[in-house]
Amino acid sequence: EAQVTQNPRYLITVTGKKLTVTCSQNMNHEYMSWYRQDPGLGLRQIYYSMNVEVTDKGDVPEGYKVSRKEKRNFPLILESPSPNQTSLYFCASSSLTGLYEQYFGPGTRLTVT
Amino acid sequence: AQKITQTQPGMFVQEKEAVTLDCTYDTSDPSYGLFWYKQPSSGEMIFLIYQGSYDQQNATEGRYSLNFQKARKSANLVISASQLGDSAMYFCAMRVTGANSKLTFGKGITLSVRP
Repeated sequence: EAQVTQNPRYLITVTGKKLTVTCSQNMNHEYMSWYRQDPGLGLRQIYYSMNVEVTDKGDVPEGYKVSRKEKRNFPLILESPSPNQTSLYFCASSSLTGLYEQYFGPGTRLTVT
Repeated sequence: AQKITQTQPGMFVQEKEAVTLDCTYDTSDPSYGLFWYKQPSSGEMIFLIYQGSYDQQNATEGRYSLNFQKARKSANLVISASQLGDSAMYFCAMRVTGANSKLTFGKGITLSVRP
């Protein structure tokens, strides 16, 4: 089954404690992206990757890091989380041919206290 | 830069009736795609329908259709024969060709279906 998986699905942590949210896709997609969703703001892109070892900032990259060492994996790293990073996070992937849909992971609800 | 505008407040519809969710967009790129996603209370993003900027006909997927008016830059979602399970948040999004194929989202519309 074609899918994007994220872990964990829910996470409560404290300010400053480093965390990683994993993302993996099994569709051999070149493009992967992280979004955060906040009430009244829709989804905003954090980082994206066009292929292995190729990453770039999206609209709201501050406080986040990513890496793309393998085509299937695109982890999101919060080196020193702060309460304003409390949000719902989505990983997505797609092919780079055409203008087709992005496949979304199930989301990760992060709370930083 | 691309922009998606969804300005309707929360929408209500009676079960079995049709409803239209509005979306306007702005881009200078001639090649783009328009998407609608559904987000139920469980949180996942469910792809509903896609319309390409060069498509001659409006897209349809089961009970969903997209009323694409290119000159007006609108891409309204029409849901026919609403069901209780259609109650959710609905997002319109756009994607253009280029170095970052990101989706630009609107702020969403909440739809509530009344029995």
